[in-house]
Amino acid sequence: AQSVAQPEDQVNVAEGNPLTVKCTYSVSGNPYLFWYVQYPNRGLQFLLKYITGDNLVKGSYGFEAEFNKSQTSFHLKKPSALVSDSALYFCAVRDGNTGGFKTIFGAGTRLFVKA
Amino acid sequence: DTAVSQTPKYLVTQMGNDKSIKCEQNLGHDTMYWYKQDSKKFLKIMFSYNNKELIINETVPNRFSPKSPDKAHLNLHINSLELGDSAVYFCASSQALKAVVGDTQYFGPGTRLTVL
Repeated sequence: AQSVAQPEDQVNVAEGNPLTVKCTYSVSGNPYLFWYVQYPNRGLQFLLKYITGDNLVKGSYGFEAEFNKSQTSFHLKKPSALVSDSALYFCAVRDGNTGGFKTIFGAGTRLFVKA
Repeated sequence: DTAVSQTPKYLVTQMGNDKSIKCEQNLGHDTMYWYKQDSKKFLKIMFSYNNKELIINETVPNRFSPKSPDKAHLNLHINSLELGDSAVYFCASSQALKAVVGDTQYFGPGTRLTVL
């Protein structure tokens, strides 16, 4: 069965420091991996995705993620955090066994960026 | 221009009532979804529709009945509401008619349902 794990409920980082939000996955077949961000009282917004190709994926708002097949990880990173990055971040995997019509989300990681 | 819109934004109702949530997307997408986000922010797929056809029903009680009158709309009707139905419900859409594995999903703003 496909699954996604976000091992940290919360990540705290100082503004200007690099940030990492961790995600590991378990899939049968090719992984189709996504990161979404949710601001308070809002819907989810797409940040980036890995489907195939380069392991380093660049996305919106200066975020990037590195796909690591051997470690089955897809960690979200940003070189310099902003206070406005504070939000809830979800890692997700598309279930290829259902043609991608089912997306499995991680439990979410709350990012706090302190000024 | 709102890409994926939901109405109402808030819904407060009594146990046992029947209510509906409407969703519309103006992106021209072929696939639409309903998700439930519980109080711990855990997000779970409920239904996926592709070109008005139900593809995924993720063991949702049959009190929940989605309906897609056309590709741009996916409504959610809930009968006999229970306390445990209280949650935020998100509609989403993605582009492809087939092979949606690589598709980005676009989410609506959510409907906060409170059952008293």
